[in-house]
Amino acid sequence: QQQVKQSPQSLIVQKGGIPIINCAYENTAFDYFPWYQQFPGKGPALLIAIRPDVSEKKEGRFTISFNKSAKQFSLHIMDSQPGDSATYFCAARRNNNAGNMLTFGGGTRLMVKP
Amino acid sequence: EAGVAQSPRYKIIEKRQSVAFWCNPISGHATLYWYQQILGQGPKLLIQFQNNGVVDDSQLPKDRFSAERLKGVDSTLKIQPAKLEDSAVYLCASSPTGGGSDTQYFGPGTRLTVL
Repeated sequence: QQQVKQSPQSLIVQKGGIPIINCAYENTAFDYFPWYQQFPGKGPALLIAIRPDVSEKKEGRFTISFNKSAKQFSLHIMDSQPGDSATYFCAARRNNNAGNMLTFGGGTRLMVKP
Repeated sequence: EAGVAQSPRYKIIEKRQSVAFWCNPISGHATLYWYQQILGQGPKLLIQFQNNGVVDDSQLPKDRFSAERLKGVDSTLKIQPAKLEDSAVYLCASSPTGGGSDTQYFGPGTRLTVL
């Protein structure tokens, strides 16, 4: 069962554009929502994260918008650059005593054209 | 600070053979994770260790996969025997404590091809 659905699968924007990646979840037990960036041949790296008691979080050019009632969250990349070309994964952490287990979305391959 | 180290980086085997992957987490990190990332998909957690104990292995195919973390530091993941559908990148990650909004740091992964 895919608990975190991510769209689109791929995205192409021009330099300076604002790509938006969307995620939706089903399990209301999720309590922490990170985004990871992955370059080819590398492991994912944490980009930015949000908790459901906050509707928006900004770090540099990256912004997460969170809609708790709709169980949706999205990543916006302002003034996108060719160096932002990578695969982006949203994730959700299940709040239980068993640990810090993340469920990942399927990924979005972003290409930023010069 | 050194990152998560994994070896080998690439491995090609035939089906029904055995294979093992090694992970050295960031020094001092108590929690270690193994993920399977099939091409075009997000990582899927296989097993989580807290020190040398297993926290969760509910998604580990235990009939063919095994993992251990002796002395609470390095870890090995083994597949025996391998199937074609095991072709994937196996990622190791570590985090300081395993709780709260603990950040998971990923290694570069081992790309496994099963022929």
